[in-house]
Amino acid sequence: QKEVEQNSGPLSVPEGAIASLNCTYSDRGSQSFFWYRQYSGKSPELIMFIYSNGDKEDGRFTAQLNKASQYVSLLIRDSQPSDSATYLCAVKRGSTLGRLYFGRGTQLTVWP
Amino acid sequence: GAGVSQSPSNKVTEKGKDVELRCDPISGHTALYWYRQSLGQGLEFLIYFQGNSAPDKSGLPSDRFSAERTGGSVSTLTIQRTQQEDSAVYLCASSLNEAGYNEQFFGPGTRLTVL
Repeated sequence: QKEVEQNSGPLSVPEGAIASLNCTYSDRGSQSFFWYRQYSGKSPELIMFIYSNGDKEDGRFTAQLNKASQYVSLLIRDSQPSDSATYLCAVKRGSTLGRLYFGRGTQLTVWP
Repeated sequence: GAGVSQSPSNKVTEKGKDVELRCDPISGHTALYWYRQSLGQGLEFLIYFQGNSAPDKSGLPSDRFSAERTGGSVSTLTIQRTQQEDSAVYLCASSLNEAGYNEQFFGPGTRLTVL
């Protein structure tokens, strides 16, 4: 079982729709969770982080965490073509200092 | 302020040669990480430095890979006797503090091609 799993996609949504990206993780001791956006040929860019169960909103982005289900998601409201990218879920395990465990990413395409 | 910088941005080398990749973290960040990303793959952890502590080398794929961090700032990743499977984008990240929330910020990467 992989540490962090994501649907590879591709996920395709129309402009203005809600895009839902999902991630599961295997270590129950994981403490903090991150979403990175990676445009083709570019390095990952941090867009959201969440540490507590529940929802965290930042503009059009909402991160949701459910530690009991070992599940974290990212919702993008009013999706724009500029949101088209690969979204990487990353997890920091409680038992391991420092390093992040990354999923392989979900490719999102928002079509006009 | 300046972000994480890496050099060179691109490196083409011949199989068997040694290469050095450099990373300058964000000023004041005490933790520094190296990852690599092969085409279409996720990020693979290589090594992690935190202050003066011994680095976490658990992700280095072979003894051909080594890294050092001088003066708690700049880091160099060295790959000896490069192989074609070493071709990837090598990404450096830094964070303010390993404890707490550990938000990592990435540099632009070095694209390594081994012919």
